[in-house]
Amino acid sequence: QQPVQSPQAVILREGEDAVINCSSSKALYSVHWYRQKHGEAPVFLMILLKGGEQKGHEKISASFNEKKQQSSLYLTASQLSYSGTYFCGTVGNEKLTFGTGTRLTIIP
Amino acid sequence: NAGVMQNPRHLVRRRGQEARLRCSPMKGHSHVYWYRQLPEEGLKFMVYLQKENIIDESGMPKERFSAEFPKEGPSILRIQQVVRGDSAAYFCASSPRSLVLGTEAFFGQGTRLTVV
Repeated sequence: QQPVQSPQAVILREGEDAVINCSSSKALYSVHWYRQKHGEAPVFLMILLKGGEQKGHEKISASFNEKKQQSSLYLTASQLSYSGTYFCGTVGNEKLTFGTGTRLTIIP
Repeated sequence: NAGVMQNPRHLVRRRGQEARLRCSPMKGHSHVYWYRQLPEEGLKFMVYLQKENIIDESGMPKERFSAEFPKEGPSILRIQQVVRGDSAAYFCASSPRSLVLGTEAFFGQGTRLTVV
């Protein structure tokens, strides 16, 4: 079953922060986060393997609550280059199932 | 180490023709995944293959679509008798081992199929 992301879309001014949430109805081995720009392939951001694990990537970080089967992606001090659609991907069996996506628009 | 290679990058087919999409995984990767992305939509899982075996094809349409990953050569996604609704971007990803072991899936640049 497809994980659910929220919000569906968000508009930020450059320098503002955002949180994107991903929720699954199934137990998970891991959560992957990707960003995709229009017309391009998804770009891997990070993978979270353990419950409660938090990882960082420049000003983008994420957490994974294994018990709640939820993950959140945190973007701080957003830059114009952060614009795109963010997808979480969950691994509950041997395949990666992508979420519904969150479209992020950064305006100057 | 070259990334996941997909070809062609763009493919135009007339309705009723066959489309063959190729995916060469990264060196040393024996797990391949195919995804379809319709315009303005998310990535939908189609099929998961290991060398010579289909592991999970729960996302494949029942008719006209097939996939293989032979012992030698690239993985092939084949669409027979294409229809306009098949127009989409098809992405391939590969991994060195099962995703349940905590590895990343590496994506190719995709094949954009247009059916006219």
